[in-house]
Amino acid sequence: EDQVTQSPEALRLQEGESSSLNCSYTVSGLRGLFWYRQDPGKGPEFLFTLYSAGEEKEKERLKATLTKKESFLHITAPKPEDSATYLCAVPGGGGNKLTFGTGTQLKVEL
Amino acid sequence: EPEVTQTPSHQVTQMGQEVILRCVPISNHLYFYWYRQILGQKVEFLVSFYNNEISEKSEIFDDQFSVERPDGSNFTLKIRSTKLEDSAMYFCASSEDFAGTQYFGPGTRLLVL
Repeated sequence: EDQVTQSPEALRLQEGESSSLNCSYTVSGLRGLFWYRQDPGKGPEFLFTLYSAGEEKEKERLKATLTKKESFLHITAPKPEDSATYLCAVPGGGGNKLTFGTGTQLKVEL
Repeated sequence: EPEVTQTPSHQVTQMGQEVILRCVPISNHLYFYWYRQILGQKVEFLVSFYNNEISEKSEIFDDQFSVERPDGSNFTLKIRSTKLEDSAMYFCASSEDFAGTQYFGPGTRLLVL
């Protein structure tokens, strides 16, 4: 069965304090790993897709990387507006249904 | 920028009533999905839909659920006889191709009393 585990569950950072979020996955035949941002009461907002080990993608203060077993979302010099829950997901079971992790709830304080 | 839209944003219903949640996927997308998220829990897959038929469904998607694409733009989720445990956020998503990025709508918050 496909599994996605995210850590930490919650993270509190000071503005400007860089850190990384982890997403470990178990899936037969990775066909992509997706990162989403979710604000309270809203739908997941797409951030990145990674397809192969070694791939990296960047967007503003965020950089996502992928290995054969896990992905990291690096946040450089975060701002309060980066506060959200960050979700990772993988398609599995031979189909395209996404299996989500429980997310990392990030809070960035002034 | 194209986006997935959903209506209503909130729905309150009595247990045993039927509800229909509506979605307008991104116009050139061919694959459609419904997910749900119970408060405080992870996002869970319900069903995927392609070429006017269900391509995959989860164990959650039992006989009380159905999906339909009634016209060229709408995609609906019907819950025939709602239960208390159906209370959740329901998200519609769409993708351009089979393994493509799934873009999510803002969700419908369903509360069953």
